[in-house]
Amino acid sequence: SQQGEEDPQALSIQEGENATMNCSYKTSINNLQWYRQNSGRGLVHLILIRSNEREKHSGRLRVTLDTSKKSSSLLITASRAADTASYFCATDEVLGAQKLVFGQGTRLTINP
Amino acid sequence: EPEVTQTPSHQVTQMGQEVILRCVPISNHLYFYWYRQILGQKVEFLVSFYNNEISEKSEIFDDQFSVERPDGSNFTLKIRSTKLEDSAMYFCASRGLASGEQYFGPGTRLTVT
Repeated sequence: SQQGEEDPQALSIQEGENATMNCSYKTSINNLQWYRQNSGRGLVHLILIRSNEREKHSGRLRVTLDTSKKSSSLLITASRAADTASYFCATDEVLGAQKLVFGQGTRLTINP
Repeated sequence: EPEVTQTPSHQVTQMGQEVILRCVPISNHLYFYWYRQILGQKVEFLVSFYNNEISEKSEIFDDQFSVERPDGSNFTLKIRSTKLEDSAMYFCASRGLASGEQYFGPGTRLTVT
């Protein structure tokens, strides 16, 4: 079965620095989505990148997708303390009801 | 901005009891989902629902689970006889017809004692 697996599992940086998180998956996908989760809270949708796209921007977020390597990266520029959260990638299948398969996530800590 | 809502935010129940978790998806969405997240673990797919029927379900979604869209706005998940291992955060999500984005509710934390 396909999986989204994030790397690193935990990342700690200083406020103002850029944070890069990576995700790998195993099978063909329709699209890949990134979500943020504050501790014990809900999943906030950040960005969706389709399988025919290579890069997408939204504010301070930049997502890349390399379908040949089955990998994606999420870059958060000019990080803020409020960006402290867990970040998950989620993939869906080419066929089917488009259930999402989540990775374990990257725990990002922004130090003031 | 439209959002998915879920009630209750926290449910405590005794083992063997029935629980119903409620969700109101975004109003013009047509695909509905339930996921769960056991503390410290991945978010796991449970079931998807489209056109008033289940379109896909996972191995977790056994006979103890059922879903229903009783009216035009609510989407419910029922667990008939809860087990300790059902303790988790349960998320509802919905998606529009054309877009791939799934939007999640804030979750219901279910604690089975």
